[in-house]
Amino acid sequence: DTAVSQTPKYLVTQMGNDKSIKCEQNLGHDTMYWYKQDSKKFLKIMFSYNNKELIINETVPNRFSPKSPDKAHLNLHINSLELGDSAVYFCASSPRVLAVETQYFGPGTRLLVL
Amino acid sequence: GENVEQHPSTLSVQEGDSAVIKCTYSDSASNYFPWYKQELGKGPQLIIDIRSNVGEKKDQRIAVTLNKTAKHFSLHITETQPEDSAVYFCAAKGTGGFKTIFGAGTRLFVKA
Repeated sequence: DTAVSQTPKYLVTQMGNDKSIKCEQNLGHDTMYWYKQDSKKFLKIMFSYNNKELIINETVPNRFSPKSPDKAHLNLHINSLELGDSAVYFCASSPRVLAVETQYFGPGTRLLVL
Repeated sequence: GENVEQHPSTLSVQEGDSAVIKCTYSDSASNYFPWYKQELGKGPQLIIDIRSNVGEKKDQRIAVTLNKTAKHFSLHITETQPEDSAVYFCAAKGTGGFKTIFGAGTRLFVKA
């Protein structure tokens, strides 16, 4: 009965490779997010989708491309991985985009670029 | 732009003592203030939240206070236990805003 799930949990890869992270939520929420957490634990919003429509696109390199095939899924594809991409990536969801409601986070994907 | 400042960045207390984490926010339109706890190897999880029409909220050993005039809100944990050791994040969001703004986090260590 996992609410927000991500795969894979760990990802170790070489510089220059392309990789994808998948996220699914079974909460019936309209809005999903991708966050990047660096080694100092700072949580930085990257993208947000509401009902498959992109609503937040922070200053993220265009090597990062989110894709939402339906409102329960939000995937993140990363091209030409760089050392600085190493971080923990969290997916989250919330019921409605403009409402003041909590976000539910997934367990994270730990990406290490060598 | 919107900003949430969180202090301290690290807090070490003895088991049984109280812990207080403080946050200030810049956007006066913020009206929802959640607190998240992130345990090692896990994602942040909501532990308590407060809305702008309330000054204080309590849930067992955890309480949150909000001062809208000063744009301050604080998390209070009483009778701390080793399992309270984690990273705690404050956050702020306003109705009509897309983003939740997170503080930088506080690493809480509870020594047995």
